[in-house]
Amino acid sequence: QQQVKQSPQSLIVQKGGISIINCAYENTAFDYFPWYQQFPGKGPALLIAIRPDVSEKKEGRFTISFNKSAKQFSLHIMDSQPGDSATYFCAASISGGGKLIFGQGTELSVKP
Amino acid sequence: GAVVSQHPSWVICKSGTSVKIECRSLDFQATTMFWYRQFPKQSLMLMATSNEGSKATYEQGVEKDKFLINHASLTLSTLTVTSAHPEDSSFYICSARGRSGSSYNEQFFGPGTRLTVL
Repeated sequence: QQQVKQSPQSLIVQKGGISIINCAYENTAFDYFPWYQQFPGKGPALLIAIRPDVSEKKEGRFTISFNKSAKQFSLHIMDSQPGDSATYFCAASISGGGKLIFGQGTELSVKP
Repeated sequence: GAVVSQHPSWVICKSGTSVKIECRSLDFQATTMFWYRQFPKQSLMLMATSNEGSKATYEQGVEKDKFLINHASLTLSTLTVTSAHPEDSSFYICSARGRSGSSYNEQFFGPGTRLTVL
């Protein structure tokens, strides 16, 4: 019940296209859903995060869509660029001290 | 703001020796620090959670006598890999969570430490 399932494992997108990564969770107590971007040899960096009281959050080219009833959330990267090529992790936690539960990761490659 | 540093960024050691990795929150007080381990092409695996001034809480399957964690101040936590063996070679990443009015549990990650045990 603590798992966060992420798909796809890898994704190839043409420059200018839309990258979509999906995550699903089971624990309805989760109330914080961040997305992290990680470049090779670096630590993860927070991209964008959402609470379950909103269905969508947008920051620049990055959008999180959240479906509470389906217990799913997704990351959309608009106008994908080669510089977006990285591994993306979704995560979930319970506010107030809960640890982050990470998805398996998606390796995104944006082709010029 | 919210910068976390790690030192060293990479270390090579001989089998049987101990290695210490430092994690510092540079511009905020970290009440809680987390230590993760990441193998190539895999997700982050939480090893332990440490709160300042108290003993670390280890995840199931993580040997607390092998991975010693100390969180002596609000800006510093250390991970010591004792009697390291080649299978301990991995990328170790810390994160820190500070005192905050936010209820969102945001963690700030360090750049990671690459450990290679020969």
